[in-house]
Amino acid sequence: GENVEQHPSTLSVQEGDSAVIKCTYSDSASNYFPWYKQELGKGPQLIIDIRSNVGEKKDQRIAVTLNKTAKHFSLHITETQPEDSAVYFCAATGNQFYFGTGTSLTVIP
Amino acid sequence: GAVVSQHPSWVICKSGTSVKIECRSLDFQATTMFWYRQFPKQSLMLMATSNEGSKATYEQGVEKDKFLINHASLTLSTLTVTSAHPEDSSFYICSARALARNTIYFGEGSWLTVV
Repeated sequence: GENVEQHPSTLSVQEGDSAVIKCTYSDSASNYFPWYKQELGKGPQLIIDIRSNVGEKKDQRIAVTLNKTAKHFSLHITETQPEDSAVYFCAATGNQFYFGTGTSLTVIP
Repeated sequence: GAVVSQHPSWVICKSGTSVKIECRSLDFQATTMFWYRQFPKQSLMLMATSNEGSKATYEQGVEKDKFLINHASLTLSTLTVTSAHPEDSSFYICSARALARNTIYFGEGSWLTVV
């Protein structure tokens, strides 16, 4: 089956700096890669996704890049704000969804 | 966008009683829903996959007689924690797969405290 690894597990950045979270996957058949943000005490919310026929996607301060050859994809958050503090999960999917172990992001004001 | 509603948001029950948690997809049909359990500062742990009109598929180590799952319609799945004990206290999250968009949307989660 698929194996999704996510790094780092914790990340602290100063407000205004950028944050990057990376995931690798093992199944070359995976073709959809969503990212979820989970705030304390709430369910994960889909924030951005990318499909295997695209290399990069951007939505305001959030961007995701995909390298199919290397089987890795990354979440980039620019101009971070305190409200970006949360746990972020990546996922890779073909027929099944496989989640990364999460990254706890703290944005220091 | 798609919305998955989960109810109740939090519940406190006495040890030995049963608690039902509902998961509804509000603007799409979900033939497949998923139930997760999450401990503090940990990732989501998949408990079972709920398939409309058929029996749920449970992950290894999850007691199907304790965590009853019913997926009676294309928009509703329920998780019943039977004979709850304090160790069942946790954050339970459901998700639903939107086939047309091939993505998963999560509910807001339900905090269960068994006293």
